[in-house]
Amino acid sequence: GAVVSQHPSRVICKSGTSVKIECRSLDFQATTMFWYRQFPKQSLMLMATSNEGSKATYEQGVEKDKFLINHASLTLSTLTVTSAHPEDSSFYICSAPDGLEGYTFGSGTRLTVV
Amino acid sequence: AQRVTQPEKLLSVFKGAPVELKCNYSYSGSPELFWYVQYSRQRLQLLLRHISRESIKGFTADLNKGETSFHLKKPFAQEEDSAMYYCALSGRGAQKLVFGQGTRLTINP
Repeated sequence: GAVVSQHPSRVICKSGTSVKIECRSLDFQATTMFWYRQFPKQSLMLMATSNEGSKATYEQGVEKDKFLINHASLTLSTLTVTSAHPEDSSFYICSAPDGLEGYTFGSGTRLTVV
Repeated sequence: AQRVTQPEKLLSVFKGAPVELKCNYSYSGSPELFWYVQYSRQRLQLLLRHISRESIKGFTADLNKGETSFHLKKPFAQEEDSAMYYCALSGRGAQKLVFGQGTRLTINP
């Protein structure tokens, strides 16, 4: 079935630095990618929707300048957390409609900002 | 606005007992409803979606538009069913998927 490969699975960074998370669609083209954030013991909160070749759409309350999304090709979408702070520490997950079962999810990235 | 409510954060039943995980939704258009499962240390997996009307791992869910519900049911719980279950909703055509708060199901031996 359709697979989304997400990297890195874990990353630790210092406050003030930026971190890039990549999601690649394997064996299918993802014109749309959804980015979620999951706090411990909580549900997935949609942050933004990226569309290939156009600007991302952000959910209310999500800072566009802090969470930069790029969707330059049909198989790659990236989320960059800029000037990271400890409160940005979370689990980030990407998802793409695969046209088959509906949506396929990446394995997630656990970001820890120290 | 899309909204999904799972009223139970935790649910614990004994092996062999029936299970029902509740899900209610709010959406002005024609929704697509899903149940996803997340086993320990694994990624989210699709369990079932209302338009396919399939039964997966013994689970079923019926969309009740009158009650705006999509409860997940299984007649006889098994220990391997212990996991986190999320109800989710999208509009037609692969629109954004919005999740409920999730229910952690524990099956006791």
